[in-house]
Amino acid sequence: QKEVEQDPGPLSVPEGAIVSLNCTYSNSAFQYFMWYRQYSRKGPELLMYTYSSGNKEDGRFTAQVDKSSKYISLFIRDSQPSDSATYLCAMSGYNTDKLIFGTGTRLQVFP
Amino acid sequence: EADIYQTPRYLVIGTGKKITLECSQTMGHDKMYWYQQDPGMELHLIHYSYGVNSTEKGDLSSESTVSRIRTEHFPLTLESARPSHTSQYLCASSELNRDYTFGSGTRLTVV
Repeated sequence: QKEVEQDPGPLSVPEGAIVSLNCTYSNSAFQYFMWYRQYSRKGPELLMYTYSSGNKEDGRFTAQVDKSSKYISLFIRDSQPSDSATYLCAMSGYNTDKLIFGTGTRLQVFP
Repeated sequence: EADIYQTPRYLVIGTGKKITLECSQTMGHDKMYWYQQDPGMELHLIHYSYGVNSTEKGDLSSESTVSRIRTEHFPLTLESARPSHTSQYLCASSELNRDYTFGSGTRLTVV
């Protein structure tokens, strides 16, 4: 069983839609949770970074962590064609900074 | 504006050739990483370094080797390339936290 599970998609939505991206994990030691965005032929770039449980909002993006369910989410409001990319979740434990990544979800936002 | 640079971006090379993938960062980060990324698969850590003269193998077994003679430079070498080495190789660096900065990657094809 993989430590981090993420639906690869693709997820296709119209412009303006609310997008929900999710990851589940099995290691209860994970404390740090990140979302990266990766455009085609580019490296991943950090989008959101949260510690432990709770919500974090940054503009149109909201990250949620539910440690009791071992479930994290990224919501994108008012999605734009420029949001079309692959979104990777990543996480690590308290005593390490090595990240464990999900497979990524490919998102397409059409006009 | 990229602070971490990978060259070449694309490389097609014959079996048995020796290759070196370059990675340089201008941020003065002590920690650097090499990840391998295949389509539809999660990023796998193959090498990491916590500073000059420090190198460790990652979670995914790899026939490649790395060196860290200077803080800003973390090259990856394959002594004898094989078709099974065909993949995208991503270099990343970080400071004290888990905020990784990734390069744009090198897409390697061994024919």
